[in-house]
Amino acid sequence: AQSVTQLGSHVSVSEGALVLLRCNYSSSVPPYLFWYVQYPNQGLQLLLKYTSAATLVKGINGFEAEFKKSETSFHLTKPSAHMSDAAEYFCAVSVNTDKLIFGTGTRLQVFP
Amino acid sequence: NAGVMQNPRHLVRRRGQEARLRCSPMKGHSHVYWYRQLPEEGLKFMVYLQKENIIDESGMPKERFSAEFPKEGPSILRIQQVVRGDSAAYFCASSLRRGTDTQYFGPGTRLTVL
Repeated sequence: AQSVTQLGSHVSVSEGALVLLRCNYSSSVPPYLFWYVQYPNQGLQLLLKYTSAATLVKGINGFEAEFKKSETSFHLTKPSAHMSDAAEYFCAVSVNTDKLIFGTGTRLQVFP
Repeated sequence: NAGVMQNPRHLVRRRGQEARLRCSPMKGHSHVYWYRQLPEEGLKFMVYLQKENIIDESGMPKERFSAEFPKEGPSILRIQQVVRGDSAAYFCASSLRRGTDTQYFGPGTRLTVL
């Protein structure tokens, strides 16, 4: 069965600092991987997705993620945090199915 | 192009009442998914429907919960005889194709059971 683990339920960074949100997956077959962002009281917005093409995936708002099969990881990064990046971030996996399996989320705080 | 629409955005019910949550997918999308988000948790898959068919309901509680996606009109998630543990945010997503196509999420319905 597939699963997703997000290390760190809360991450705090200063504005302008590097953002690193961790995601590890478990899957016996090549997965599709997604990062979604959720702003307070809103739905989820797709940041980026990996579908077995390039291992470095670029998304919206300056975010990117790298698929590392050897580490079963799909960490999300952004070189320079902005105040507007404060939100909850969810990693999700899908393998030959129609449903997404989500991690428990990481809440990102950005301090001025 | 309007996104996924959900209504109501907020719903308050007393224990034992029924809750009906509606979801209109993006234009042209015929695949609908329902997820539930309990407080401080991630989203959990409930059910996947295509027009007039339930494809996967492996995440639906066995009792009191049902879903439909009729030929005309929105998808409905129905919860009968609600209990306090049903309080959660319910999100609907839609996609153009099945499989691993991108799912686009609505703003959610926040259900509070008193």
